[in-house]
Amino acid sequence: GAVVSQHPSRVICKSGTSVKIECRSLDFQATTMFWYRQFPKKSLMLMATSNEGSKATYEQGVEKDKFLINHASLTLSTLTVTSAHPEDSSFYICSARERRRGWDEQFFGPGTRLTVL
Amino acid sequence: AQSVTQLGSHVSVSEGALVLLRCNYSSSVPPYLFWYVQYPNQGLQLLLKYTSAATLVKGINGFEAEFKKSETSFHLTKPSAHMSDAAEYFCAVTLDSGYSTLTFGKGTMLLVSP
Repeated sequence: GAVVSQHPSRVICKSGTSVKIECRSLDFQATTMFWYRQFPKKSLMLMATSNEGSKATYEQGVEKDKFLINHASLTLSTLTVTSAHPEDSSFYICSARERRRGWDEQFFGPGTRLTVL
Repeated sequence: AQSVTQLGSHVSVSEGALVLLRCNYSSSVPPYLFWYVQYPNQGLQLLLKYTSAATLVKGINGFEAEFKKSETSFHLTKPSAHMSDAAEYFCAVTLDSGYSTLTFGKGTMLLVSP
């Protein structure tokens, strides 16, 4: 199957700083990538849908100025958490959609653990 | 709008016992249903999916699930649990083949004891 990577896998930062998380589709082109947030012992919450070459579509309640998403190429999307605070600490997971004949498959990255001190 | 409900946040079984993880869906139109597995500090891996073909779907690692429209269910089963099956399992639903929006259940942690 297709592979999606995320970098970094873990990051610890101070409150007020910004953190960038990369999501890459390694062996396929992804016109659409998704960003999820997972709280401890909770389900995945879709934050935004990222389409290559256009602005991301954010879910209700997600601050677009705080969670900046850029999808500059068909293999790379980035999520920047700006002015991070402890409540932003979470597990962030991206997924990339591969367009296949008759069916679209969504592949998930391994996740990034963000800890804001 | 679609939704899924996973009954039981934790399920404990002994190694070799039957695994049954429950998922019920709510949808106004025929849904596409998925089961994903997540190991600690990792992303999600697709176990199997129902896409309106056969109602009994076989997935990886010996898991299977049956779509029952009359019961609005898509329960995940495995005849014999293995220690390596211990993980978090998520049921998910979408209404379109491009599945732009996956709606996940809250997850069920499967615990396997020796």
